Amino acid sequence: ILNVEQSPQSLHVQEGDSTNFTCSFPSSNFYALHWYRWETAKSPEALFVMTLNGDEKKKGRISATLNTKEGYSYLYIKGSQPEDSATYLCAFWHEVGSYKLIFGSGTRLLVRP
Amino acid sequence: SAVISQKPSRDICQRGTSLTIQCQVDSQVTMMFWYRQQPGQSLTLIATANQGSEATYESGFVIDKFPISRPNLTFSTLTVSNMSPEDSSIYLCSIGQGKTEAFFGQGTRLTVV
Repeated sequence: ILNVEQSPQSLHVQEGDSTNFTCSFPSSNFYALHWYRWETAKSPEALFVMTLNGDEKKKGRISATLNTKEGYSYLYIKGSQPEDSATYLCAFWHEVGSYKLIFGSGTRLLVRP
Repeated sequence: SAVISQKPSRDICQRGTSLTIQCQVDSQVTMMFWYRQQPGQSLTLIATANQGSEATYESGFVIDKFPISRPNLTFSTLTVSNMSPEDSSIYLCSIGQGKTEAFFGQGTRLTVV
């Protein structure tokens, strides 16, 4: 069974705090790891698609790292703002036997002003 | 990028009835994916819809319960049949795979009473 685990399940921080979340995934047959941000009443929106061990990607105050050998990725948010409040999903692209994204259950972030 | 229009955005349905969810994409795509997120759970793939062939269902999902149509390369429907309260979820359609980001519809929030 392919499992993608995310932690923590939820997080409440103050505006200006920096924070990070973890995504763990199967380290065998790795192809790609995706991060999405999902705000209430909106579509999930892609943040990063990472494919190489050691990848580091950045978009504004948000960055992510990837370790395919040990099967984990970190998402960092620097100086959190209330508009960062959302659910952050990671997903593992599976290509053995079938083609699909396998999602974690997400980290719900609430940033208090 | 791609734009996916999904409707309805939400509905409240009586148990035993059926609801059909539609997704329209602004470009032609080979594969469309249908996901479900039950409360507190991961986004779970229901099935992959390919134009011109029957949908491929994931373990735990069957065609009689979730019939899918894919009449052309820009449109798909998912029907939730004979609904029960356990079907209360957010349903999402999606395109994109592998090393490219996925795009999602706005989601359908279904409540079965």
